[in-house]
Amino acid sequence: RKEVEQDPGPFNVPEGATVAFNCTYSNSASQSFFWYRQDCRKEPKLLMSVYSSGNEDGRFTAQLNRASQYISLLIRDSKLSDSATYLCVVLTSGTYKYIFGTGTRLKVLA
Amino acid sequence: DAGVIQSPRHEVTEMGQEVTLRCKPISGHNSLFWYRQTMMRGLELLIYFNNNVPIDDSGMPEDRFSAKMPNASFSTLKIQPSEPRDSAVYFCASSRVNEKLFFGSGTQLSVL
Repeated sequence: RKEVEQDPGPFNVPEGATVAFNCTYSNSASQSFFWYRQDCRKEPKLLMSVYSSGNEDGRFTAQLNRASQYISLLIRDSKLSDSATYLCVVLTSGTYKYIFGTGTRLKVLA
Repeated sequence: DAGVIQSPRHEVTEMGQEVTLRCKPISGHNSLFWYRQTMMRGLELLIYFNNNVPIDDSGMPEDRFSAKMPNASFSTLKIQPSEPRDSAVYFCASSRVNEKLFFGSGTQLSVL
């Protein structure tokens, strides 16, 4: 079983739609969680950290469920510019290792 | 602030040749990571350093791959000899311990 798993998609949604991605992790000792965004032929860039109480940044909301070992990303009012691959990242306590999921591809359609 | 700087951006080489990829982390960051990305396998962690010391190289695919970090501002990833299956995008990333990762622009490697 992979340490971090994501549905690869693609998720094709119309502009203005709400879309949600989940990511599951296998190591219960994981301590920090992030969502990164990667555009085609570019490097991954931090979208947002994920906090235990959940957090919001504009149209983006991240949630953490430690009991079920998953994190989620919700995008409201999606824009064409949101089209990208979204990568879930998990940092395990005491290891310094950032493990990436394979990413979920999102296409927002006009 | 300058971000993570990688060179070269593109490298085309022939099978059997030595390839050296370079990385300059963000000043003040004490953790450095080398990743490889392919369509089939996604982003794979190859090796990471903390305070210039290699901590875990279990992701290095085989002995043909080696990485060094002689000081806090420079690291290299070397492949010798290179093979066509090494073709991928290689990313370097840096962070303060347990904080956000910042990536360089990557090196697109093509081994013919």
